Amino acid sequence: GENVEQHPSTLSVQEGDSAVIKCTYSDSASNYFPWYKQELGKRPQLIIDIRSNVGEKKDQRIAVTLNKTAKHFSLHITETQPEDSAVYFCAATKSNFGNEKLTFGTGTRLTIIP
Amino acid sequence: DSGVTQTPKHLITATGQRVTLRCSPRSGDLSVYWYQQSLDQGLQFLIQYYNGEERAKGNILERFSAQQFPDLHSELNLSSLELGDSALYFCASSVAGTPSPLHFGNGTRLTVT
Repeated sequence: GENVEQHPSTLSVQEGDSAVIKCTYSDSASNYFPWYKQELGKRPQLIIDIRSNVGEKKDQRIAVTLNKTAKHFSLHITETQPEDSAVYFCAATKSNFGNEKLTFGTGTRLTIIP
Repeated sequence: DSGVTQTPKHLITATGQRVTLRCSPRSGDLSVYWYQQSLDQGLQFLIQYYNGEERAKGNILERFSAQQFPDLHSELNLSSLELGDSALYFCASSVAGTPSPLHFGNGTRLTVT
């Protein structure tokens, strides 16, 4: 089955600086890669996703890049703000009708230092 | 609001007991997933149902079982509870057919004393 590794496990950055979180996946057939943000005690919420036919996607201060050859994808947050502090999870899955189980990375706890 | 409803929000019970967690997926979503999240841990996949049928199993203990009913709501049954079963249990749903985001409910926080 799919295995997703995520690094770093914790990350502290000064407010206004950029943060980068990296993930690698094992199944070359995986073709969908979402990122979730989870605040303490709350549900994971989708912040951005990318499909394998695209190399990069941006949404305001958030961007995701995908390197299919190397089987890794990254989350980039620019101009970080205190409200960006949370745990971020990457995930991967592949097209399989009726079985789109997401395999999650172990999470990155991001702390923005004011 | 994700559209996924989980009840109850909190559950406190004793070791050895049995509980049932309930989930109603978003309207139109056929797939339901259950995940367990222990304190400061990641999201561990338990089981997935699609239109009433079990489709995938993760690290789900034999003491745990689940089902999806004709109206597509799902229940996760946890029996012979142990202290280590204390966790947040999330239900998520998605549209089947193409990879699409999972939409998570707000979770049920289970505390076993």
